[in-house]
Amino acid sequence: QKEVEQDPGPLSVPEGAIVSLNCTYSNSAFQYFMWYRQYSRKGPELLMYTYSSGNKEDGRFTAQVDKSSKYISLFIRDSQPSDSATYLCAMSGGGSTLGRLYFGRGTQLTVWP
Amino acid sequence: EPEVTQTPSHQVTQMGQEVILRCVPISNHLYFYWYRQILGQKVEFLVSFYNNEISEKSEIFDDQFSVERPDGSNFTLKIRSTKLEDSAMYFCASGTGGFTEAFFGQGTRLTVV
Repeated sequence: QKEVEQDPGPLSVPEGAIVSLNCTYSNSAFQYFMWYRQYSRKGPELLMYTYSSGNKEDGRFTAQVDKSSKYISLFIRDSQPSDSATYLCAMSGGGSTLGRLYFGRGTQLTVWP
Repeated sequence: EPEVTQTPSHQVTQMGQEVILRCVPISNHLYFYWYRQILGQKVEFLVSFYNNEISEKSEIFDDQFSVERPDGSNFTLKIRSTKLEDSAMYFCASGTGGFTEAFFGQGTRLTVV
């Protein structure tokens, strides 16, 4: 099942770098787009969500959705070592149960000091 | 801060045995979910539960699986006769019913030997 594709990385950047993470998807019915952060041996933690197309900013994080291209991105500015984690994109909508999420594989990010 | 709690954190069981994974969702949440993540693979939806019944289940959630909310606080996933391929991290999640927010527990690592 290839509904949501995400490059697993790993991605390694120096502290202070701008990080770009992205996912593509095939189901045009998806309407809600989320980014989760997952630390080792922990559950996914919701970072941001966006409805339909557009941008959303929260502190150092910016989420972008381009429905025409079926492409979503998460940008992290001024990255910190504490941002080191696996980042999962997730999507929902299109007639499925509220809350049924389709996840990408996750991108493993390391920010080194 | 309220959180979803799961027990046990790690369960080892022999193939063919029944296991029950337990979850205490966030108290005012009405929607409950189980997901699983096989090592190195995507987080996959298993089932959603609302108003004391299953709302949706995936192809993975076959007759070997069942869910129950036996009282006002617990939400359980039962696997009747475990197989080696059931080895995975199982995540419980709960939400208020929006498309957006599903709060995940820390997970139960199930190892079938």
